[in-house]
Amino acid sequence: DVKVTQSSRYLVKRTGEKVFLECVQDMDHENMFWYRQDPGLGLRLIYFSYDVKMKEKGDIPEGYSVSREKKERFSLILESASTNQTSMYLCASRSQPNNSPLHFGNGTRLTVT
Amino acid sequence: QQPVQSPQAVILREGEDAVINCSSSKALYSVHWYRQKHGEAPVFLMILLKGGEQKGHDKISASFNEKKQQSSLYLTASQLSYSGTYFCGTERDKLIFGTGTRLQVFP
Repeated sequence: DVKVTQSSRYLVKRTGEKVFLECVQDMDHENMFWYRQDPGLGLRLIYFSYDVKMKEKGDIPEGYSVSREKKERFSLILESASTNQTSMYLCASRSQPNNSPLHFGNGTRLTVT
Repeated sequence: QQPVQSPQAVILREGEDAVINCSSSKALYSVHWYRQKHGEAPVFLMILLKGGEQKGHDKISASFNEKKQQSSLYLTASQLSYSGTYFCGTERDKLIFGTGTRLQVFP
């Protein structure tokens, strides 16, 4: 079974802090994704990566950056956390080709105060 | 732009049928369907590729009309376990999701 592990289930940070959300998958998947989930807004794509050291902007990349130095790990970075980044963050991965299903992690509930 | 899902919410009795629709303003390569139960991660249901195919999984099936950029998810003879939020994901140059359809099945 594919396992996508997000480092924290709950996280509380202060405004202005630099925040790292970590995601690790154990199935040698090429593609990895970061989404945020907010009530009424569904899942919105922040960034994705099709391979190591590659990254592409999603629909809402502002205020975020990512890092993919190793194939199994995809990190989401909030450079200076703000209260409007309080949300549930979901990481997902899949293998090539693009008609493969996404496997999601259990999410990180981030609260910025 | 996110795909548009309708309806936003559905309430059913066990055994009833439901249809959830998903439409995009752009030509698509594929459509994904996922179900998320409260407090859990979304779980994959099926993927449909362009070509107008229809897929089925137990009493849940889906269709994809490539020309209209629309997909529909059909839930037949619903069970309590079908309750959750259903998301369609559309892929062209990136995989983006709709705002979800909340489905509740009551005994």
